[in-house]
Amino acid sequence: SQQGEEDPQALSIQEGENATMNCSYKTSINNLQWYRQNSGRGLVHLILIRSNEREKHSGRLRVTLDTSKKSSSLLITASRAADTASYFCATDGNTDKLIFGTGTRLQVFP
Amino acid sequence: NAGVTQTPKFQVLKTGQSMTLQCAQDMNHNSMYWYRQDPGMGLRLIYYSASEGTTDKGEVPNGYNVSRLNKREFSLRLESAAPSQTSVYFCASSRGRTQETQYFGPGTRLLVL
Repeated sequence: SQQGEEDPQALSIQEGENATMNCSYKTSINNLQWYRQNSGRGLVHLILIRSNEREKHSGRLRVTLDTSKKSSSLLITASRAADTASYFCATDGNTDKLIFGTGTRLQVFP
Repeated sequence: NAGVTQTPKFQVLKTGQSMTLQCAQDMNHNSMYWYRQDPGMGLRLIYYSASEGTTDKGEVPNGYNVSRLNKREFSLRLESAAPSQTSVYFCASSRGRTQETQYFGPGTRLLVL
């Protein structure tokens, strides 16, 4: 069963534009994480936000968390072609396991 | 540091054959995981090992067995492969609690005919 659901499923933008993807989840959490997966590769951790945090930044990445709405968003500013990848949210759902969503496929055109 | 390594990178099996997927990490992590990734399904946890000497079932354990050989190595065995096990398999590790940041290997692509 999927705890997190990303939206949209796919997103196409031009270089320099901002990309926003959203994640909704079902149960309370301790933390929420975002991962990136380049085609044919393993997942790479991007950022972790704890349930008592509302916003977190890392370079061109900005993550927000709204626990009242059970949702999170990942904003990538000034996108580059190298940002082309699939992006997954993962939540712990107050369990001892991470549960991954189905991902957003981002395509950034030069 | 190699991080998390997996072997083989790609494997073709016939239905009923067995094989073991190997995973090793050199980060001195306590917890290790096996996931499968299918198109449109995201990652699903097969088995995990929260610490050396322990293993637990994940969401989709049927048809698989695991061994935490030591702190570094965590193997996944398919005793009798089925076409439904065609997938990409990822091994991951984390320093401590399973909810922490996980580090992934490059994956093993398995095709069962």
